[in-house]
Amino acid sequence: GAVVSQHPSWVICKSGTSVKIECRSLDFQATTMFWYRQFPKQSLMLMATSNEGSKATYEQGVEKDKFLINHASLTLSTLTVTSAHPEDSSFYICSAHRASTEAFFGQGTRLTVV
Amino acid sequence: QQQVKQSPQSLIVQKGGISIINCAYENTAFDYFPWYQQFPGKGPALLIAIRPDVSEKKEGRFTISFNKSAKQFSLHIMDSQPGDSATYFCAASTVYTGRRALTFGSGTRLQVQP
Repeated sequence: GAVVSQHPSWVICKSGTSVKIECRSLDFQATTMFWYRQFPKQSLMLMATSNEGSKATYEQGVEKDKFLINHASLTLSTLTVTSAHPEDSSFYICSAHRASTEAFFGQGTRLTVV
Repeated sequence: QQQVKQSPQSLIVQKGGISIINCAYENTAFDYFPWYQQFPGKGPALLIAIRPDVSEKKEGRFTISFNKSAKQFSLHIMDSQPGDSATYFCAASTVYTGRRALTFGSGTRLQVQP
């Protein structure tokens, strides 16, 4: 099956610093990728849609200035959590669609802000 | 507004038994219904998916039953095994007609006892 690689798998950072998370589609091109956030024992909530070569589309309530998304190529999208605070601690997951149907997810990134 | 409702929240099944998880949706524009399996600390993995023009789809021990008129679909895991213990999410999207981002159900934590 298609592979989506997410890096890092976990990161600890200090409050006020920024953290970048990468999402790569390894064996297919993805013009669109999605970023989700998941709190413990809860479902995945869509944060934003990352569009190659254009601005990301953010869901209502998601701060675009805090969660910067860049989709510079057909295989790479990055999510940067800026000026991180403890409440940003969460599990962040990206996904990419192969063709128009199946969504493949990255391994997720556990962010802990201390 | 929760567009995909999933039940039960948790499920305990004996080894060899049948696990049944149900989902109901509201948006009649949904045209793609996948099920995902998620282990702790990992991203979701696609198990099986169905389109509304089919009432049932089977892949190995996993079967999706789909009732378009009732706007419900369910996952059946036959001969459940301890290795199936995970969290299962149903999802829905308008893959073929528009927005491809997935709307997830709340998840079901399945525990298969040896």
